[in-house]
Amino acid sequence: RKEVEQDPGPFNVPEGATVAFNCTYSNSASQSFFWYRQDCRKEPKLLMSVYSSGNEDGRFTAQLNRASQYISLLIRDSKLSDSATYLCVTDPNTGGFKTIFGAGTRLFVKA
Amino acid sequence: GAGVSQSPSNKVTEKGKDVELRCDPISGHTALYWYRQSLGQGLEFLIYFQGNSAPDKSGLPSDRFSAERTGGSVSTLTIQRTQQEDSAVYLCASSLKTYEQYFGPGTRLTVT
Repeated sequence: RKEVEQDPGPFNVPEGATVAFNCTYSNSASQSFFWYRQDCRKEPKLLMSVYSSGNEDGRFTAQLNRASQYISLLIRDSKLSDSATYLCVTDPNTGGFKTIFGAGTRLFVKA
Repeated sequence: GAGVSQSPSNKVTEKGKDVELRCDPISGHTALYWYRQSLGQGLEFLIYFQGNSAPDKSGLPSDRFSAERTGGSVSTLTIQRTQQEDSAVYLCASSLKTYEQYFGPGTRLTVT
């Protein structure tokens, strides 16, 4: 089983739609969780951290469910510019700041 | 300020040749990471340097791969006797005592 698993998609949604991605992680000792965004042929960039209490940044909401070992990302009112690959990231709790990246979920937002 | 830079941006090499990829992290960042990304795939962790600690080499796929970080700054990833399956984008990232990693633009390696 992979340490971090994501539905690869692609998700094809119209502008204005709400879309949600889930990501499961296998290491129950993981403490830190993130969503990164990667545009086509570009490097990944941090989108948001995922806190135990959940957090929201504009149209983006991230949730953590420790009991079921998954995190989610909800995007409301999708924009064309949201089209990208969304990478789920956790830490393996081995000390330091090593991270494990999921393979990513591709999102296409259409006009 | 300057971000993470990598060189070369593209490298085409013949099977069996050695290659060196360079990463200049953000000044002051203590952690440095190397990843590999094949077309349409996720990031594969290769190696992680944290300050003066011994590097975490657990992701290196074979003994043909090695990396060093000199003076706690610049890092070089070396691939010996390249194979066609080594073709990928090699990404370097750095961070400052947090999990937020800043990535360079990558080196696209093609082994013919």
